[in-house]
Amino acid sequence: QVQLQESGPGLVKPSETLSLTCAVSGYSISSGYYWGWIRQPPGKGLEWIGSIYHSGSTYYNPSLKSRVTISVDTSKNQFSLKLSSVTAADTAVYYCARALDTATFFYWGQGTLVTVSS
Amino acid sequence: SSELTQDPAVSVALGQTVRITCQGDSLRSYYASWYQQKPGQAPVLVIYGKNNRPSGIPDRFSGSSSGNTASLTITGAQAEDEADYYCNSRDSSGNHLGVFGGGTKLTVL
Repeated sequence: QVQLQESGPGLVKPSETLSLTCAVSGYSISSGYYWGWIRQPPGKGLEWIGSIYHSGSTYYNPSLKSRVTISVDTSKNQFSLKLSSVTAADTAVYYCARALDTATFFYWGQGTLVTVSS
Repeated sequence: SSELTQDPAVSVALGQTVRITCQGDSLRSYYASWYQQKPGQAPVLVIYGKNNRPSGIPDRFSGSSSGNTASLTITGAQAEDEADYYCNSRDSSGNHLGVFGGGTKLTVL
């Protein structure tokens, strides 16, 4: 059974960098699939942030591309999200997920709320 | 703005059939996936591909597509089906970028 667990600071200051990690258990990232990040502002809909193939190819939401980096650490069986220059508009629940392709998310983490505030 | 358009809200009488739709140009090229999200929970994939259900998803959930419109049908809606439903697919750029619809809140009366 594949399980994903997000971790990282729950509070980030404006203009700083949001950093989250998704630990994967029950499956080796290096074996395949895409791995992605999705976010959901409070009371709003889902937004695709980006996805990474197990080999390292990345795909980013054009509206966030200049600020987003997604990377994989196969030695730790985890992947990460960095979002720079955050503002209050980046306050959201952030989910990590395993995907069949860049956009079909089969397994999801429970999500972690990140608040951007001074 | 989202490239996939959903009705904000839909209601259905208990036991009846309801169709939730998703429109977008990219759906002429790619299948939509559908997710169910209940309050305070992570989304759950209910339909993907042409009409595939992950293990554990009841067979009252089905998917279809025609032209630029994808549909999620719930045949014999149950009280536990009350939730937000999101479609998603790849966008129309051809660069395999993902996009979500704005979501549909389903109320079971």
